[in-house]
Amino acid sequence: NAGVTQTPKFRILKIGQSMTLQCTQDMNHNYMYWYRQDPGMGLKLIYYSVGAGITDKGEVPNGYNVSRSTTEDFPLRLELAAPSQTSVYFCASSYSLLELNNEQFFGPGTRLTVL
Amino acid sequence: QKEVEQNSGPLSVPEGAIASLNCTYSDRGSQSFFWYRQYSGKSPELIMSIYSNGDKEDGRFTAQLNKASQYVSLLIRDSQPSDSATYLCAVNPEYGNKLVFGAGTILRVKS
Repeated sequence: NAGVTQTPKFRILKIGQSMTLQCTQDMNHNYMYWYRQDPGMGLKLIYYSVGAGITDKGEVPNGYNVSRSTTEDFPLRLELAAPSQTSVYFCASSYSLLELNNEQFFGPGTRLTVL
Repeated sequence: QKEVEQNSGPLSVPEGAIASLNCTYSDRGSQSFFWYRQYSGKSPELIMSIYSNGDKEDGRFTAQLNKASQYVSLLIRDSQPSDSATYLCAVNPEYGNKLVFGAGTILRVKS
């Protein structure tokens, strides 16, 4: 099992450019999440999905879009990049938060800089 | 008001000492609580989860939960330099299917 994989690892964007951050998990997890982490800060939830075809906004969704067409994939789209979106982005997955002893598994992260 | 509060630190302890990390949360109906460890430049990894009042021990780690005081803590016994990291407290709110994270506490274990 590869777990949760993310691409790319690093990216520099110019203001106004668009990009898609890829996230794939091979654990057959229902739940998937996108977080951003700014320096010295905790994780802020951007979007999450409870299954294929179902997505919902988190705490900081503005400027981002997601889709969930398969159980495995949960891409995050930035349409018009802004310097405020400079951050480290983590994708995570879990079977279900309602299950005892469950945990969220995190990908390695994508470090994005917008100049 | 922040939903999950942690002292940002850094908390410095000598090698072999007990490190005590604290977290308070605002949602009284919260049901499950997690401690994640995050090394610099790496992704978070789960080290403890706790659901019931009291203590839960796993090796050198003990999680303590007091729902009446809305307080969860993590004790690390016999601290090692390899324990130096940021520790994130995460809480599952009563009606949520997602976690709310604190900002994290930086722990430094000095040899």
